[in-house]
Amino acid sequence: EDQVTQSPEALRLQEGESSSLNCSYTVSGLRGLFWYRQDPGKGPEFLFTLYSAGEEKEKERLKATLTKKESFLHITAPKPEDSATYLCAVRNSGYALNFGKGTSLLVTP
Amino acid sequence: EAQVTQNPRYLITVTGKKLTVTCSQNMNHEYMSWYRQDPGLGLRQIYYSMNVEVTDKGDVPEGYKVSRKEKRNFPLILESPSPNQTSLYFCASSEGATGNTIYFGEGSWLTVV
Repeated sequence: EDQVTQSPEALRLQEGESSSLNCSYTVSGLRGLFWYRQDPGKGPEFLFTLYSAGEEKEKERLKATLTKKESFLHITAPKPEDSATYLCAVRNSGYALNFGKGTSLLVTP
Repeated sequence: EAQVTQNPRYLITVTGKKLTVTCSQNMNHEYMSWYRQDPGLGLRQIYYSMNVEVTDKGDVPEGYKVSRKEKRNFPLILESPSPNQTSLYFCASSEGATGNTIYFGEGSWLTVV
């Protein structure tokens, strides 16, 4: 059975304090690992899709990396507007999408 | 603008009263799906559809029905809602089951009393 575990559950950072969020996974035939940002009461907003170990993608202050067992979302010099819940999901060989429970990030000024 | 539109956004209903949550996408996507999001449980897939007239169960299909008669629409039907179906529901779509980007709607808050 596919499993996606995100850590930490919650993270509080000072503005400018870089850190990383972790997504550990087990999946039958990875067909993509997805990162989303979700603001309270809103739908998940797509950030990245990674397909193979070693792949990296960047967008502004965010960088996602992938290994065979986990993915990291690195946040460099975060700002208060980066505060949100970050979701990780994996798609398996049967095309089902399984989400982790998310990391709630709070960036304080 | 790429959009996944859900209606209603907010609904309070009573146990047993049939309801439908509509979902429409304007991107000509083949793949559509429904999720529910509950505190502590994350997003769980209810049903998905690979194309018109092709649907399949996700992780939590009990108590729900779907249909896909047109490519752009994928309604979620609760034939006899119960309080344990109180949740935040999301519709999503992508270009095929292996699409790079999966777009989500804004969510539908459903309360069953």
